[in-house]
Amino acid sequence: QQPVQSPQAVILREGEDAVINCSSSKALYSVHWYRQKHGEAPVFLMILLKGGEQKGHEKISASFNEKKQQSSLYLTASQLSYSGTYFCGTEITGGFKTIFGAGTRLFVKA
Amino acid sequence: SQTIHQWPATLVQPVGSPLSLECTVEGTSNPNLYWYRQAAGRGLQLLFYSVGIGQISSEVPQNLSASRPQDRQFILSSKKLLLSDSGFYLCAWSSRANTEAFFGQGTRLTVV
Repeated sequence: QQPVQSPQAVILREGEDAVINCSSSKALYSVHWYRQKHGEAPVFLMILLKGGEQKGHEKISASFNEKKQQSSLYLTASQLSYSGTYFCGTEITGGFKTIFGAGTRLFVKA
Repeated sequence: SQTIHQWPATLVQPVGSPLSLECTVEGTSNPNLYWYRQAAGRGLQLLFYSVGIGQISSEVPQNLSASRPQDRQFILSSKKLLLSDSGFYLCAWSSRANTEAFFGQGTRLTVV
């Protein structure tokens, strides 16, 4: 039931782009994306509901393909502040619980 | 505005001792409440969630239990801690629609 994230880790230079993928073996109601800095609580980035929408948050955007049960998070022109662990969370039925993937560690260097 | 409080921030407990972690939410009513555990370098494992007072759903059979004695209070407990209970415990709340979860600052538990 846990979604699968890839890659597990990625290292970027400032200004480079990255894509983080999240896939589920079950039909999804929604996909959530969070970022966690080391030693801190996860912080919400965005939610995508079924319907194939795409959303944006500063230079971070995401897409959700409900037919493929997949979501992707796009980070463009990465900044040092983007470093952290990114988690996708999936909901199979609406309103109750979010199951998170194992996370993708992103490190942006100058 | 809504806030979530979780304490203590760090805890070192001997094997076999009891555990009680408390989480309270302010500024909202009827929240969904969650306990997650994060092992070092690992993902967020959902332990328990609650949609109302006294309503607890367990996701993973284990040495822990949860209770919700009041609408905005969520407690994680254990009668006897195991070494494997060590980790970073996070409490979170969301609205009924679960469009966004707000996490507490976490408790780092070390069982020795």
